[in-house]
Amino acid sequence: SSELTQDPAVSVALGQTVRITCQGDSVRTHYASWYQQRPGQAPILVIYGKNNRPSGIPDRFSGSISGSTASLTITGAQAEDEADYYCNSRDSSGNHLVFGRGTKLTVL
Amino acid sequence: QVQLVQSGAEVKKPGASVKVSCKASGYTFTSYYIHWVRQAPGQGLEWMGTIYPSVDSRSYAQKFQGRVTVTRDTSTSTVYMELSSLRSEDTAMYYCARDWELGYWGQGTLVTVSS
Repeated sequence: SSELTQDPAVSVALGQTVRITCQGDSVRTHYASWYQQRPGQAPILVIYGKNNRPSGIPDRFSGSISGSTASLTITGAQAEDEADYYCNSRDSSGNHLVFGRGTKLTVL
Repeated sequence: QVQLVQSGAEVKKPGASVKVSCKASGYTFTSYYIHWVRQAPGQGLEWMGTIYPSVDSRSYAQKFQGRVTVTRDTSTSTVYMELSSLRSEDTAMYYCARDWELGYWGQGTLVTVSS
């Protein structure tokens, strides 16, 4: 299956660490990427590849993988991290992308 | 700097077609895939298809096969996404994005399908 499963919502206290997960068979063979989307804005890439951050993304964002589960970890969450987070990866064919349904992160 | 600039909002009637453009600048146009992703109101991101401008190879999500066509014009560094047989469920923000990591995104084009 090429489906990617994400928890619909996660919350974290300000300054604490939160992990957002993305489970699916495709992440065993294709790295997941992670996107942050604030209301009314286009998504922004925050993690790609094994654990790479584009220029300008704070180092509190990191990625990891264990088996069929990719994770986005925010260490020391800030108020501005409150957003929707989406994972994606290529499917088994390698020619298509598939997205998870997204996780709404609330920073308390 | 890399920029993807999309065409403006569209309002279409059911059954019509829409063609959205994505003009690239700041990099070698033929060297990177361009993808199309849409987002219905209040919903998640949905991948539609991609094109590799260098060799004009394309791939589409099965859901949109037969309804979507992605093309490119290398003379203007522009990629187009045409969606036909529109229905109300196609009302969404449509984004173009560069390469498989989707590292750069256009600003989005709102397509509204309403009778």
